[in-house]
Amino acid sequence: AQSVTQPDIHITVSEGASLELRCNYSYGATPYLFWYVQSPGQGLQLLLKYFSGDTLVQGIKGFEAEFKRSQSSFNLRKPSVHWSDAAEYFCAVALYSSASKIIFGSGTRLSIRP
Amino acid sequence: NAGVTQTPKFQVLKTGQSMTLQCAQDMNHNSMYWYRQDPGMGLRLIYYSASEGTTDKGEVPNGYNVSRLNKREFSLRLESAAPSQTSVYFCASDRATEAFFGQGTRLTVV
Repeated sequence: AQSVTQPDIHITVSEGASLELRCNYSYGATPYLFWYVQSPGQGLQLLLKYFSGDTLVQGIKGFEAEFKRSQSSFNLRKPSVHWSDAAEYFCAVALYSSASKIIFGSGTRLSIRP
Repeated sequence: NAGVTQTPKFQVLKTGQSMTLQCAQDMNHNSMYWYRQDPGMGLRLIYYSASEGTTDKGEVPNGYNVSRLNKREFSLRLESAAPSQTSVYFCASDRATEAFFGQGTRLTVV
Protein backbone atom coordinates (compact mmCIF):
# COMPACT_ATOMS: atom_id res chain seq x y z
CA ALA A 1 0.00 0.00 0.00
CA GLN A 2 1.08 3.54 -0.65
CA SER A 3 2.32 5.27 2.49
CA VAL A 4 4.34 8.14 3.85
CA THR A 5 6.21 7.78 7.13
CA GLN A 6 7.55 10.52 9.33
CA PRO A 7 9.20 8.62 12.17
CA ASP A 8 9.73 11.60 14.48
CA ILE A 9 6.58 12.84 16.20
CA HIS A 10 8.24 15.71 18.04
CA ILE A 11 11.71 17.24 17.77
CA THR A 12 13.25 20.00 19.88
CA VAL A 13 16.33 21.85 18.69
CA SER A 14 18.16 24.90 19.97
CA GLU A 15 17.90 28.14 18.07
CA GLY A 16 20.79 28.35 15.64
CA ALA A 17 21.29 24.59 15.51
CA SER A 18 20.86 22.53 12.38
CA LEU A 19 17.72 20.55 11.65
CA GLU A 20 16.85 17.40 9.76
CA LEU A 21 13.32 16.00 9.56
CA ARG A 22 12.93 12.54 8.15
CA CYS A 23 10.46 11.30 5.57
CA ASN A 24 10.19 7.88 3.90
CA TYR A 25 7.66 6.80 1.33
CA SER A 26 6.42 3.57 -0.11
CA TYR A 27 5.20 3.75 -3.69
CA GLY A 28 5.43 1.64 -6.79
CA ALA A 29 7.09 4.45 -8.68
CA THR A 30 8.87 7.67 -7.78
CA PRO A 31 6.13 10.06 -6.76
CA TYR A 32 6.08 13.80 -6.60
CA LEU A 33 7.36 14.82 -3.17
CA PHE A 34 6.50 17.80 -1.02
CA TRP A 35 7.15 19.36 2.37
CA TYR A 36 4.49 21.56 3.92
CA VAL A 37 4.59 23.63 7.10
CA GLN A 38 1.65 24.41 9.35
CA SER A 39 1.84 27.16 11.93
CA PRO A 40 -0.58 26.94 14.87
CA GLY A 41 -4.17 27.58 13.81
CA GLN A 42 -3.21 27.98 10.18
CA GLY A 43 -3.52 26.05 6.97
CA LEU A 44 -0.60 24.40 5.22
CA GLN A 45 2.05 26.25 3.25
CA LEU A 46 4.30 24.62 0.69
CA LEU A 47 7.99 24.73 1.61
CA LEU A 48 9.41 22.88 -1.38
CA LYS A 49 8.72 20.16 -3.92
CA TYR A 50 10.56 17.60 -6.01
CA PHE A 51 9.40 16.30 -9.36
CA SER A 52 12.56 15.30 -11.19
CA GLY A 53 16.10 16.42 -11.91
CA ASP A 54 18.48 17.66 -9.24
CA THR A 55 17.88 15.62 -6.12
CA LEU A 56 18.68 18.54 -3.80
CA VAL A 57 15.88 21.07 -3.88
CA GLN A 58 15.78 24.49 -2.31
CA GLY A 59 12.66 25.91 -0.75
CA ILE A 60 11.41 28.96 1.04
CA LYS A 61 12.58 30.15 4.46
CA GLY A 62 16.05 28.62 3.99
CA PHE A 63 14.87 24.99 3.87
CA GLU A 64 16.20 22.32 1.53
CA ALA A 65 15.43 18.65 0.98
CA GLU A 66 17.28 15.79 -0.64
CA PHE A 67 15.62 12.98 -2.57
CA LYS A 68 17.36 9.63 -2.22
CA ARG A 69 15.80 7.03 -4.47
CA SER A 70 17.76 4.13 -2.99
CA GLN A 71 16.43 4.93 0.49
CA SER A 72 12.94 6.10 -0.62
CA SER A 73 13.58 9.18 1.48
CA PHE A 74 13.01 12.90 1.18
CA ASN A 75 14.50 14.49 4.30
CA LEU A 76 14.08 18.17 5.10
CA ARG A 77 17.03 20.19 6.36
CA LYS A 78 17.89 23.66 7.54
CA PRO A 79 21.41 24.74 8.56
CA SER A 80 20.34 27.11 11.33
CA VAL A 81 16.83 27.24 12.79
CA HIS A 82 15.07 30.35 14.02
CA TRP A 83 12.43 30.56 16.73
CA SER A 84 9.86 31.32 14.02
CA ASP A 85 10.44 27.85 12.53
CA ALA A 86 8.49 26.26 15.39
CA ALA A 87 5.57 24.59 13.64
CA GLU A 88 4.36 21.24 12.38
CA TYR A 89 5.94 19.86 9.24
CA PHE A 90 4.30 17.44 6.86
CA CYS A 91 5.85 15.35 4.14
CA ALA A 92 3.51 14.50 1.28
CA VAL A 93 3.55 12.49 -1.93
CA ALA A 94 1.42 12.45 -5.05
CA LEU A 95 1.14 10.35 -8.15
CA TYR A 96 -0.37 12.66 -10.69
CA SER A 97 -2.78 11.12 -13.12
CA SER A 98 -6.35 11.67 -14.18
CA ALA A 99 -7.35 11.16 -10.57
CA SER A 100 -4.49 12.65 -8.64
CA LYS A 101 -4.42 12.66 -4.90
CA ILE A 102 -1.96 13.80 -2.30
CA ILE A 103 -1.08 11.60 0.66
CA PHE A 104 0.37 13.11 3.84
CA GLY A 105 2.60 11.79 6.55
CA SER A 106 1.54 12.07 10.19
CA GLY A 107 3.65 15.16 10.77
CA THR A 108 6.61 16.20 12.91
CA ARG A 109 6.17 18.94 15.48
CA LEU A 110 9.23 21.14 15.79
CA SER A 111 9.94 23.07 18.97
CA ILE A 112 12.77 25.57 19.29
CA ARG A 113 14.75 25.90 22.50
CA PRO A 114 15.88 29.51 23.16
CA ASN B 1 -6.53 36.77 -4.64
CA ALA B 2 -8.51 34.75 -2.09
CA GLY B 3 -7.13 31.29 -2.98
CA VAL B 4 -9.12 28.60 -1.13
CA THR B 5 -11.93 29.81 1.12
CA GLN B 6 -13.65 27.58 3.67
CA THR B 7 -16.73 28.32 5.70
CA PRO B 8 -17.43 28.20 8.56
CA LYS B 9 -14.21 28.49 10.56
CA PHE B 10 -15.71 27.00 13.70
CA GLN B 11 -18.79 24.86 14.33
CA VAL B 12 -20.27 22.94 17.23
CA LEU B 13 -22.83 20.26 16.42
CA LYS B 14 -24.90 17.92 18.52
CA THR B 15 -24.72 14.22 17.75
CA GLY B 16 -27.10 13.41 14.92
CA GLN B 17 -27.23 16.91 13.45
CA SER B 18 -26.28 17.53 9.85
CA MET B 19 -24.23 20.26 8.28
CA THR B 20 -22.36 21.18 5.13
CA LEU B 21 -18.84 22.57 4.98
CA GLN B 22 -18.33 24.88 2.06
CA CYS B 23 -15.16 25.32 0.02
CA ALA B 24 -14.47 27.54 -2.96
CA GLN B 25 -11.31 28.24 -4.95
CA ASP B 26 -10.66 31.01 -7.42
CA MET B 27 -7.55 29.57 -9.08
CA ASN B 28 -9.32 27.58 -11.83
CA HIS B 29 -7.92 24.31 -10.49
CA ASN B 30 -9.38 21.03 -11.66
CA SER B 31 -8.67 18.96 -8.55
CA MET B 32 -10.12 19.62 -5.11
CA TYR B 33 -9.81 17.71 -1.85
CA TRP B 34 -11.24 17.36 1.62
CA TYR B 35 -8.95 16.25 4.45
CA ARG B 36 -9.43 15.82 8.14
CA GLN B 37 -6.61 16.46 10.59
CA ASP B 38 -6.43 14.68 13.91
CA PRO B 39 -3.55 14.79 16.41
CA GLY B 40 -0.75 12.41 15.48
CA MET B 41 -2.45 11.27 12.29
CA GLY B 42 -1.53 13.93 9.80
CA LEU B 43 -4.06 14.82 7.14
CA ARG B 44 -6.25 11.98 5.98
CA LEU B 45 -8.03 12.23 2.67
CA ILE B 46 -11.82 12.01 2.93
CA TYR B 47 -12.89 12.62 -0.68
CA TYR B 48 -11.39 14.21 -3.72
CA SER B 49 -12.58 15.46 -7.07
CA ALA B 50 -10.26 15.30 -10.05
CA SER B 51 -12.56 17.44 -12.17
CA GLU B 52 -15.99 18.99 -12.25
CA GLY B 53 -18.61 16.28 -12.08
CA THR B 54 -16.38 13.56 -10.61
CA THR B 55 -15.74 12.55 -7.03
CA ASP B 56 -13.83 9.66 -5.48
CA LYS B 57 -13.43 8.25 -2.02
CA GLY B 58 -10.23 8.77 -0.13
CA GLU B 59 -8.92 7.01 2.94
CA VAL B 60 -11.73 7.84 5.40
CA PRO B 61 -15.00 8.48 3.50
CA ASN B 62 -17.48 6.85 5.88
CA GLY B 63 -20.02 9.27 7.32
CA TYR B 64 -19.40 11.92 4.68
CA ASN B 65 -20.76 12.93 1.31
CA VAL B 66 -19.43 15.47 -1.16
CA SER B 67 -20.68 17.54 -4.05
CA ARG B 68 -18.59 19.15 -6.76
CA LEU B 69 -21.11 21.84 -7.57
CA ASN B 70 -18.99 23.45 -10.27
CA LYS B 71 -15.32 23.95 -10.94
CA ARG B 72 -15.01 26.43 -8.07
CA GLU B 73 -16.95 24.74 -5.29
CA PHE B 74 -16.57 21.45 -3.44
CA SER B 75 -18.75 20.87 -0.39
CA LEU B 76 -18.53 18.25 2.35
CA ARG B 77 -21.69 17.08 4.10
CA LEU B 78 -22.12 15.29 7.40
CA GLU B 79 -25.60 13.75 7.36
CA SER B 80 -25.64 12.59 10.97
CA ALA B 81 -22.70 13.93 12.95
CA ALA B 82 -20.90 11.68 15.43
CA PRO B 83 -18.33 12.56 18.11
CA SER B 84 -15.71 10.66 16.07
CA GLN B 85 -16.06 13.36 13.44
CA THR B 86 -14.69 15.99 15.77
CA SER B 87 -11.69 17.22 13.84
CA VAL B 88 -10.19 20.04 11.84
CA TYR B 89 -11.24 19.87 8.21
CA PHE B 90 -9.16 21.27 5.38
CA CYS B 91 -10.16 21.85 1.81
CA ALA B 92 -7.47 22.05 -0.86
CA SER B 93 -7.20 22.57 -4.58
CA ASP B 94 -4.38 21.43 -6.76
CA ARG B 95 -2.79 22.42 -10.06
CA ALA B 96 -0.71 19.23 -10.32
CA THR B 97 2.41 20.91 -9.01
CA GLU B 98 1.22 22.33 -5.71
CA ALA B 99 -1.78 22.07 -3.42
CA PHE B 100 -3.28 25.17 -1.86
CA PHE B 101 -5.12 24.89 1.42
CA GLY B 102 -7.90 26.73 3.11
CA GLN B 103 -7.57 27.91 6.70
CA GLY B 104 -9.55 24.97 8.06
CA THR B 105 -12.85 24.37 9.84
CA ARG B 106 -12.67 23.29 13.46
CA LEU B 107 -15.68 21.05 14.06
CA THR B 108 -16.73 19.75 17.46
CA VAL B 109 -19.49 17.18 17.80
CA VAL B 110 -20.90 16.85 21.31
